Amino acid sequence: NAGVTQTPKFRILKIGQSMTLQCTQDMNHNYMYWYRQDPGMGLKLIYYSVGAGITDKGEVPNGYNVSRSTTEDFPLRLELAAPSQTSVYFCASSSLSGGPYEQYFGPGTRLTVT
Amino acid sequence: AQKVTQAQTEISVVEKEDVTLDCVYETRDTTYYLFWYKQPPSGELVFLIRRNSFDEQNEISGRYSWNFQKSTSSFNFTITASQVVDSAVYFCALLQNAGNNRKLIWGLGTSLAVNP
Repeated sequence: NAGVTQTPKFRILKIGQSMTLQCTQDMNHNYMYWYRQDPGMGLKLIYYSVGAGITDKGEVPNGYNVSRSTTEDFPLRLELAAPSQTSVYFCASSSLSGGPYEQYFGPGTRLTVT
Repeated sequence: AQKVTQAQTEISVVEKEDVTLDCVYETRDTTYYLFWYKQPPSGELVFLIRRNSFDEQNEISGRYSWNFQKSTSSFNFTITASQVVDSAVYFCALLQNAGNNRKLIWGLGTSLAVNP
């Protein structure tokens, strides 16, 4: 199984540009999450989804948008990139019911906005 | 409020030393789950262990062991005979499970350096 995959692995954006970070999981997990991790810091939740068509904000949603049209995919959209969005972005997924409840993570996307 | 505290920001040990990473949590839930994750220098996040609130048995996996004590709201992680490959940031997390609002509350992590 591939687990959680993310593309791209690295990206450099200019201020004001937009991009979409892709995330796909093949474990049939209902829950999916987007986190950002700033250098030397912990994880901050951006958005999450409890299933196709349902998304909700995390603690740092400003400047981002998400959609969940399928169980497998959970793309994260950055509009009007700003230097403050320079970070490593992780996508994760977990099961809905009966466990296990742990989140499985993709390898991350390292984004630099200059 | 739900909270996870990892008071040790950085720990440095010499190879073969034992080291314990502390995790203290706060929750009002009677049913909850605790997790440990490892983030090596390569950057990926690796799930290590899950423990539910009804199971206070300690767990051992090779050189790793976990001590869960509800009385002190702690879920500590011990590495025995540490190795250089154990160098990583370790995160403790608490599952907030209010209906469909299933999110992890993360500690800030403990950076462990194991020196040869």
